[in-house]
Amino acid sequence: GAVVSQHPSWVICKSGTSVKIECRSLDFQATTMFWYRQFPKQSLMLMATSNEGSKATYEQGVEKDKFLINHASLTLSTLTVTSAHPEDSSFYICSARIGGQGNIQYFGAGTRLSVL
Amino acid sequence: AQSVTQLDSQVPVFEEAPVELRCNYSSSVSVYLFWYVQYPNQGLQLLLKYLSGSTLVKGINGFEAEFNKSQTSFHLRKPSVHISDTAEYFCAVSVRGTYKYIFGTGTRLKVLA
Repeated sequence: GAVVSQHPSWVICKSGTSVKIECRSLDFQATTMFWYRQFPKQSLMLMATSNEGSKATYEQGVEKDKFLINHASLTLSTLTVTSAHPEDSSFYICSARIGGQGNIQYFGAGTRLSVL
Repeated sequence: AQSVTQLDSQVPVFEEAPVELRCNYSSSVSVYLFWYVQYPNQGLQLLLKYLSGSTLVKGINGFEAEFNKSQTSFHLRKPSVHISDTAEYFCAVSVRGTYKYIFGTGTRLKVLA
């Protein structure tokens, strides 16, 4: 149980275009979803926290207009990288929390974004 | 503010040998502690967690960790590693009452034949 699906697993796009990444909880309703960014050989940095039906809470230094997060339902959150540039190339990982299970987060397999 | 330190960036170990991956944290409030494993180009898989109760926590794949409050540590151990354990291991803390994780910088475990 507690499977989080992330799609696509890898995307290549041209500079200036927008890319949408989906994060779905397949067998549970996610009270909260999180979006992380991971640079090569580095740790995960939390970008934002999203709750269903409300605006995402962004971490300091993360541009909310660049990284649009929509949490339309209890099983789906999307991250849109707008007007992507090469410096946005990274590994993006989402996670989801089940209400009542405390602080346990279940992670998706990640999306590798390459901006040319 | 909370922080997590994983002192070893890389740990090479021979197959069937024991291994310990170190994790120390800093927090003035109570925290939950986690160990996750990441295989190449994949997301994170929960190995084990400490929420409360017994300080010795057993996880999947034969791993265990011990919460030591006085030393603010949560070291991960396995008595006998396999080649398949080669991966990146992350320690994380989460403050009780919040849901955010703070991750350590990770330890790359390399199991040698």
